[in-house]
Amino acid sequence: GDSVTQMEGPVTLSEEAFLTINCTYTATGYPSLFWYVQYPGEGLQLLLKATKADDKGSNKGFEATYRKETTSFHLEKGSVQVSDSAVYFCALSESGNTGKLIFGQGTTLQVKP
Amino acid sequence: EAQVTQNPRYLITVTGKKLTVTCSQNMNHEYMSWYRQDPGLGLRQIYYSMNVEVTDKGDVPEGYKVSRKEKRNFPLILESPSPNQTSLYFCASSPNDLSQPQHFGDGTRLSIL
Repeated sequence: GDSVTQMEGPVTLSEEAFLTINCTYTATGYPSLFWYVQYPGEGLQLLLKATKADDKGSNKGFEATYRKETTSFHLEKGSVQVSDSAVYFCALSESGNTGKLIFGQGTTLQVKP
Repeated sequence: EAQVTQNPRYLITVTGKKLTVTCSQNMNHEYMSWYRQDPGLGLRQIYYSMNVEVTDKGDVPEGYKVSRKEKRNFPLILESPSPNQTSLYFCASSPNDLSQPQHFGDGTRLSIL
């Protein structure tokens, strides 16, 4: 079945450092891909998405590009802030609108001043 | 305000005592879903529903039941809870087009003793 794999955390960075969180997936067809963020004590909220190959999703300085050839959707940000400290989840919705959503394990990001 | 509301937010109970976690959304979404979040495992889908009276199993449905009698409500029922169902639970909703993002509730932390 479809699956999502994220890099292990936690990731600890200094403020203004460059961030990459790797995400790769296994899926048939053309799933939609998402990054969600979870702040402490809260539910998940959408950070960005891409629905077809070569699409780039972006929001709040974060970017991710849907790479069909490498089955990847890596999250990047050029300069992180302390307020970016959170858990980040990569996810896909199966093609064909089956109703199934699959999440990665989550990566905890801690940004230090 | 658009929201997904879960109740209770916290519950400590004992093995075998039936419980229900309610979920309600005010966005007229067709799709609703339940997830559990466990350390190192990310979010795993329990059940989902693509419309009233239509429910399907996700990846970890054992020990859970759901119903979808009305569009806005999607309760999660644990008929005979066991300690391995101790977890953080999230309800989410979206339009039926799953390339659209999910809207998540704030979570319910269940402890089964």
